[in-house]
Amino acid sequence: GQQVMQIPQYQHVQEGEDFTTYCNSSTTLSNIQWYKQRPGGHPVFLIQLVKSGEVKKQKRLTFQFGEAKKNSSLHITATQTTDVGTYFCAVVPYSGAGSYQLTFGKGTKLSVIP
Amino acid sequence: DTAVSQTPKYLVTQMGNDKSIKCEQNLGHDTMYWYKQDSKKFLKIMFSYNNKELIINETVPNRFSPKSPDKAHLNLHINSLELGDSAVYFCASSQEFTDLTGELFFGEGSRLTVL
Repeated sequence: GQQVMQIPQYQHVQEGEDFTTYCNSSTTLSNIQWYKQRPGGHPVFLIQLVKSGEVKKQKRLTFQFGEAKKNSSLHITATQTTDVGTYFCAVVPYSGAGSYQLTFGKGTKLSVIP
Repeated sequence: DTAVSQTPKYLVTQMGNDKSIKCEQNLGHDTMYWYKQDSKKFLKIMFSYNNKELIINETVPNRFSPKSPDKAHLNLHINSLELGDSAVYFCASSQEFTDLTGELFFGEGSRLTVL
């Protein structure tokens, strides 16, 4: 089945430092999505990447899709306490069989020390 | 108005009991899902329905039975509850089920504790 590895599992940063989480797939992907889950909350969609090499920005967040469409990264510049939470990637494999199942990575839990 | 609402939010019950969680979405989406999030925060899909038809049924014990009376509702019934069923169950919906599914909208979750 689809294998998705997300690293690191945990990250503690000082407020103002940068943060990056990586998502790696064993197979080529159709697209990848990123979600954020605040403590005690539910996952909330951040972005979807579709094209090879795509880079998208949302304020301090930068999302990148690898050229081979097998990996992705989420980078946060100058973290704030509001960035605390678990960041999940979710992938859809490229499959001619029409399997559109979204598989979630195990998430990266970000703690920000004020 | 809440886009995806699920009830109850908290459920505490004894082993062996049967319980249901209800989910409703007012987004007009065709596809609904149930996800289980365990204590390690791993999100695992259980079921997916597209226009009231089951399209994903992961390896889930048959004690779990989803029911979709219409495309706006997807309920989850669990028989003979076990300790390992304790988790947060999230309902979600998306506009369609293709390779560009688009974003999932999640409900707030139902925390099930089995004693």
